[in-house]
Amino acid sequence: DQQVKQNSPSLSVQEGRISILNCDYTNSMFDYFLWYKKYPAEGPTFLISISSIKDKNEDGRFTVFLNKSAKHLSLHIVPSQPGDSAVYFCAAAGGNEKLTFGTGTRLTIIP
Amino acid sequence: DGGITQSPKYLFRKEGQNVTLSCEQNLNHDAMYWYRQDPGQGLRLIYYSQIVNDFQKGDIAEGYSVSREKKESFPLTVTSAQKNPTAFYLCASSDRSPAGLDPYEQYFGPGTRLTVT
Repeated sequence: DQQVKQNSPSLSVQEGRISILNCDYTNSMFDYFLWYKKYPAEGPTFLISISSIKDKNEDGRFTVFLNKSAKHLSLHIVPSQPGDSAVYFCAAAGGNEKLTFGTGTRLTIIP
Repeated sequence: DGGITQSPKYLFRKEGQNVTLSCEQNLNHDAMYWYRQDPGQGLRLIYYSQIVNDFQKGDIAEGYSVSREKKESFPLTVTSAQKNPTAFYLCASSDRSPAGLDPYEQYFGPGTRLTVT
């Protein structure tokens, strides 16, 4: 039972354009969401998070949008840079510190 | 320089042998976690510990065991009972203190790739 879903396994975007990564969740108890970036053979690194009391959080080139009614969140990266090529994981938390991760989206930035 | 260390980076074992993966943190975090990552799958929680001398099973604990005798250390043993032990194993920690900036943010180590043949 996949409670956090990233339906696009991969995404290719031209350098300088906007990258949009999507994530859906099913558990209504989730109230905090995070995005992690992961390079091959390394541990994930935290990118940005959002609480369920907000619908948008911005940090430099990264913006996360949350649509609670649709149980959907998205990560926008603009402008996309070659160093953004990585696997991006969406994660959700609710009630405790346990995180439930999605399956990841591999983003490739084309120079 | 604070962080999480996992050793070794690569580990090879024969089927039927138990193997212990090391995880050490100097971030003074109370909570620690073990995940495994398989191709095409997200990170799945094996065990977690919110305080010394206490730990709970995650979603896929069968065939694994842990201990938490010190705040800094959370070793994971992959036993011979684990049917598919070959995977990339990640350790993480988080700050549960009220003063923590983000109670949900977990900091990850570099991972250990275990191959069992």
